[in-house]
Amino acid sequence: QAVVTQEPSLTVSPGGTVTLTCASSTGAVTSGYYATWFQQKPGQAPRSLIYRTDNKHSWTPARFSGSLLGGKAALTLSGVQPEDEAEYYCLLYYGDGGAQPYVFGTGTKLTVL
Amino acid sequence: QVQLVQSGAEVKKPGASVKFSCKASGHTFARYHVHWVRQAPGQGLEWMGIINPTGDSTRYAQKFQGRVAITMDTSTSTVFMELNSLRSEDTAVYFCGREEAWTFDMWGQGTMVTVSS
Repeated sequence: QAVVTQEPSLTVSPGGTVTLTCASSTGAVTSGYYATWFQQKPGQAPRSLIYRTDNKHSWTPARFSGSLLGGKAALTLSGVQPEDEAEYYCLLYYGDGGAQPYVFGTGTKLTVL
Repeated sequence: QVQLVQSGAEVKKPGASVKFSCKASGHTFARYHVHWVRQAPGQGLEWMGIINPTGDSTRYAQKFQGRVAITMDTSTSTVFMELNSLRSEDTAVYFCGREEAWTFDMWGQGTMVTVSS
């Protein structure tokens, strides 16, 4: 089974910019991994912010964007707000032929300070 | 109201089984895959399995193979997940979520399961 690695924690100042990344142990993450980014706050279900690498839902604030960066999936927050403090998880798709089709990343705790 | 409604909290003894439900309210699963994920206390999200829109195809995480089964009752728009041979490490919140074309747009409220002797 692949291992998907994220930064354990990041700290950003309000109004600042931060990039979270999502790396796969199998190699470079491409568009075919259909990366999804979730935000989760304590006691809540995860909420998808970005789907299929760089697509936003109607509820996704404009300051969130998804991309591929240096062989990883990336989530960039520009103009961070205090309410962005949360845990962020990526989810990668490994296809139907492998050991298992989906693997979550290890998660990044984002602190806004 | 369009939502996913999950069953209530459970307390189980080691070795027992638990069966969760996830009901589509205000919609059906006709176009959607349904995923199950879990989160142990203080831990990250863990993907467990998926069932297709017609309920005739499933895939599971390697870790749970042979111990988990996901089924669907299309007549009631309800998906079930049964987890067997429970151990203390299965204590977690279990979430169901719907997905279409790798787009996740809705999650249930979660079901807490406590496994303790």
